[in-house]
Amino acid sequence: DAGVIQSPRHEVTEMGQEVTLRCKPISGHNSLFWYRQTMMRGLELLIYFNNNVPIDDSGMPEDRFSAKMPNASFSTLKIQPSEPRDSAVYFCASSLGSGGVQETQYFGPGTRLLVL
Amino acid sequence: GENVEQHPSTLSVQEGDSAVIKCTYSDSASNYFPWYKQELGKRPQLIIDIRSNVGEKKDQRIAVTLNKTAKHFSLHITETQPEDSAVYFCAAGGGFKTIFGAGTRLFVKA
Repeated sequence: DAGVIQSPRHEVTEMGQEVTLRCKPISGHNSLFWYRQTMMRGLELLIYFNNNVPIDDSGMPEDRFSAKMPNASFSTLKIQPSEPRDSAVYFCASSLGSGGVQETQYFGPGTRLLVL
Repeated sequence: GENVEQHPSTLSVQEGDSAVIKCTYSDSASNYFPWYKQELGKRPQLIIDIRSNVGEKKDQRIAVTLNKTAKHFSLHITETQPEDSAVYFCAAGGGFKTIFGAGTRLFVKA
């Protein structure tokens, strides 16, 4: 298995532009998580899905952020419009997440976003 | 809301010494406690985990203890090596949600 796949690995954009981050979870995993990591705030959970349904998006910082999971093998995190303070590493993770039992989360390589 | 506190934020030890990282959690419904290691520029990776029905678990040089009554758990690394240098995150999970601690940056000096 290739593990969790994220694209792009690096993104540099200008303030005001739309940014779309993509994630392919491990096949067979039912839960998907989006995290943001910065030096100041550490690892923050933004949103998580179970069986493609958003369960908790309370970590999404504001309306500029949105996430979708149209099917079991693909999710996007979109920032529109982007701001310099959005610069961070964004991780996607997946887990088996069966029936509320906690399982190991497997992280993707991350997308390093820089908003100028 | 749920919270996980992790201490210390930075830890420096001599090679061969032991390192201990401690975490406390607030949600009494938490039943899963993983530890992740993140090397510089890499992704977090699970190194050990423990569930609420177990008080201690060991895997070679790494051990984790859990005290559910006090709501705290600890990571113990013995015979530390330079390659143990990384950031370590504890986490507490219940249901589908896992809350991470702020991380401990461990330096192992050769």
